[in-house]
Amino acid sequence: EPEVTQTPSHQVTQMGQEVILRCVPISNHLYFYWYRQILGQKVEFLVSFYNNEISEKSEIFDDQFSVERPDGSNFTLKIRSTKLEDSAMYFCASSESGGELFFGEGSRLTVL
Amino acid sequence: AQSVTQPDIHITVSEGASLELRCNYSYGATPYLFWYVQSPGQGLQLLLKYFSGDTLVQGIKGFEAEFKRSQSSFNLRKPSVHWSDAAEYFCAVGVKAAGNKLTFGGGTRVLVKP
Repeated sequence: EPEVTQTPSHQVTQMGQEVILRCVPISNHLYFYWYRQILGQKVEFLVSFYNNEISEKSEIFDDQFSVERPDGSNFTLKIRSTKLEDSAMYFCASSESGGELFFGEGSRLTVL
Repeated sequence: AQSVTQPDIHITVSEGASLELRCNYSYGATPYLFWYVQSPGQGLQLLLKYFSGDTLVQGIKGFEAEFKRSQSSFNLRKPSVHWSDAAEYFCAVGVKAAGNKLTFGGGTRVLVKP
């Protein structure tokens, strides 16, 4: 069964460092998303991406964040200068037609 | 903007007993509705979804949910809980017009007693 894959599964970084989280969505899907879940809290929407551009972003997704689909298969989330409060589990998801979302296993980011 | 409320933060249930998890949403039109399950340290697995049609939806692992428009609810049920059902359950609402951006509830953690 096709699945969304994310790398790395866990990354530890120093505050102020740049981090790139990678996702390989399901191959025929057209909509892509990043969500995050701070430990013990709800899953929060960050950004959606369709037709090679951001279709919607939340207030969390400030100038420190960016997304890219560099090569037609990967979908990346970059955090330019990490803060302590960026520590969270980041989930990538994809959808064929904007209906059901398929989530990856998540990338846990720890900022020290 | 849509919102989702899961009133119960924790529920403890005995193995073999029935389970019902509550979910209420706020949205002006008929949304897409989902239930996801998350085991500790794991990702989000879709249990079931409602887009339209029959308001009683069957999902995986013996779960079902009923959409009640009049109550803005989408409660999840399972007739007989297994120890492996211990996990956190998230209700989510999506809006097709917004590319189905999902808004999640706060989650309900289910503990199963032997």
